[in-house]
Amino acid sequence: GDSVTQMEGPVTLSEEAFLTINCTYTATGYPSLFWYVQYPGEGLQLLLKATKADDKGSNKGFEATYRKETTSFHLEKGSVQVSDSAVYFCALRTGANSKLTFGKGITLSVRP
Amino acid sequence: DTGVSQDPRHKITKRGQNVTFRCDPISEHNRLYWYRQTLGQGPEFLTYFQNEAQLEKSRLLSDRFSAERPKGSFSTLEIQRTEQGDSAMYLCASSPVGTIGTYEQYFGPGTRLTVT
Repeated sequence: GDSVTQMEGPVTLSEEAFLTINCTYTATGYPSLFWYVQYPGEGLQLLLKATKADDKGSNKGFEATYRKETTSFHLEKGSVQVSDSAVYFCALRTGANSKLTFGKGITLSVRP
Repeated sequence: DTGVSQDPRHKITKRGQNVTFRCDPISEHNRLYWYRQTLGQGPEFLTYFQNEAQLEKSRLLSDRFSAERPKGSFSTLEIQRTEQGDSAMYLCASSPVGTIGTYEQYFGPGTRLTVT
């Protein structure tokens, strides 16, 4: 079945540091890939997505590239801010409108 | 859009009791999803509806769980004879559906269930 593996956390960084959060996947079909973010006290929000190989999703300074050859979708940001502190989930979906399969999530804390 | 709403936000119940949660999707969103999230884990799919039809159910959805969407608008998720292992955050999401493209799922704030 489909699965998503995220690197172990939590991650603590200083403001303006470079961020990489690893995500790899296993899927039976050709998935769409997503990063969701959950800020403290809020619901899940879509951060970015990519629907085919070599696509790059980007939003709020975050980027992730769909790498089919390595089945990866790593999240990066060049300079994190305190306001980026949240839980980040990698997810995939096979089929146009079917269920999402999530990774375990990783907590990011950014220190001033 | 007012967003996806869920009620209640928190529920504490004793083992063996029945509980029911409600989800109101974004209006005109045909698809409605239920997920469960336990501490330290990502959300896990439970079931989804297209309009009033329940199209898929996860193996996680034991026979103590039942979900309905009677008029294709709001949905309810009922858990009968609750167990401590049912303690989790129950998330609802909705999305439009069409023939072109893939559509984002919009999540509600969740209902946190604690079974004592």
